[in-house]
Amino acid sequence: EDKVVQSPLSLVVHEGDTVTLNCSYEVTNFRSLLWYKQEKKAPTFLFMLTSSGIEKKSGRLSSILDKKELFSILNITATQTGDSAVYLCAGTQGGSEKLVFGKGTKLTVNP
Amino acid sequence: GAVVSQHPSWVICKSGTSVKIECRSLDFQATTMFWYRQFPKQSLMLMATSNEGSKATYEQGVEKDKFLINHASLTLSTLTVTSAHPEDSSFYICSARSGGPNNEQFFGPGTRLTVL
Repeated sequence: EDKVVQSPLSLVVHEGDTVTLNCSYEVTNFRSLLWYKQEKKAPTFLFMLTSSGIEKKSGRLSSILDKKELFSILNITATQTGDSAVYLCAGTQGGSEKLVFGKGTKLTVNP
Repeated sequence: GAVVSQHPSWVICKSGTSVKIECRSLDFQATTMFWYRQFPKQSLMLMATSNEGSKATYEQGVEKDKFLINHASLTLSTLTVTSAHPEDSSFYICSARSGGPNNEQFFGPGTRLTVL
């Protein structure tokens, strides 16, 4: 059975801290790994990773995939209160393009 | 990026009634749309994959006669929750696949359903 496991489930930090969110996956015919940020409504796209070892970066956020270890991390540096959200990781099944989501990591950034 | 809308954004209904939720891709054509359900503090669970012009493919454990999906055009898919019960109360989110080079899925804003 396909599964995506995220850790930690929740995290509370202070503004300016750096955080690392973890995602491990077992997805049939794996094609890509996606990260989303979910605030009060639907998820917004952050990154799509398909190749191992190539870091993707967007401002203070970065992510990398390890296809050998079936693992990805999302880093957020110099966190701000606006980074408070649930961060979801999902694996894509090749062919069907189904997304298998993890339970998410709830990040709270306190001022 | 591509925009996906959902309507309504929230709905309250009585037990036993049916509720229709629309999902539209506003600026692109989506041959495939996905319907997810999210219970409080849980992740998104795929309910079904909706392909334009053909029958939807339902995930294991999802009743196809209860959750009717219609994907009649390249920009519209509908989910009808028939004879809704309180346990159907949830956040329903659709996504549409753009078919671009990354085959990315774009999510709608979601519909909060509360069944009394």
